[in-house]
Amino acid sequence: NAGVTQTPKFQVLKTGQSMTLQCAQDMNHNSMYWYRQDPGMGLRLIYYSASEGTTDKGEVPNGYNVSRLNKREFSLRLESAAPSQTSVYFCASSEAQVNGGNQPQHFGDGTRLSIL
Amino acid sequence: GEDVEQSLFLSVREGDSSVINCTYTDSSSTYLYWYKQEPGAGLQLLTYIFSNMDMKQDQRLTVLLNKKDKHLSLRIADTQTGDSAIYFCADYSGYALNFGKGTSLLVTP
Repeated sequence: NAGVTQTPKFQVLKTGQSMTLQCAQDMNHNSMYWYRQDPGMGLRLIYYSASEGTTDKGEVPNGYNVSRLNKREFSLRLESAAPSQTSVYFCASSEAQVNGGNQPQHFGDGTRLSIL
Repeated sequence: GEDVEQSLFLSVREGDSSVINCTYTDSSSTYLYWYKQEPGAGLQLLTYIFSNMDMKQDQRLTVLLNKKDKHLSLRIADTQTGDSAIYFCADYSGYALNFGKGTSLLVTP
């Protein structure tokens, strides 16, 4: 039972390079999320997808794009990487929010990204 | 989202109880959460409490909720060295979790 799977686990990029972080979940969840975690900052939401076919900006969306490819997969793209994007990126998924009730989120193990 | 506040560090001796405190901001959260993060790993859902409850107990874990003061606490009984980790509390803001900065728990022998 894999849960939420992120690839790659580690990546080093040069400034200006692009890359896509992949995320897939096997729990048939409707909602998916991308967070970044920086020292002393906790986790901050980059983008989320409440359901297949929809995406919305979170707290820190600048410099990122996302694609909800299907119900299982939600990718995060850095078009032109900058050193400020050095971080640990986490993908999460949850059941749909119903009647205002929020559902627990389940996290992947993260992608550690360094931009030189 | 608005800030969820936690103390940054806590050190306890093995076998003692640990209490990690949190104040949250979104009173509309249906649930409030505690996540655990071990070094180099992702976030693991530890426990959560429904907002109309005052207390939830789950083996060594006790969660207390004071809605009036927007105060949440996590008590770990008989703390073990394997409990050393970062603990995050979270409420909901809109569609996504709003995390505190995390409390680093160090358990010493």
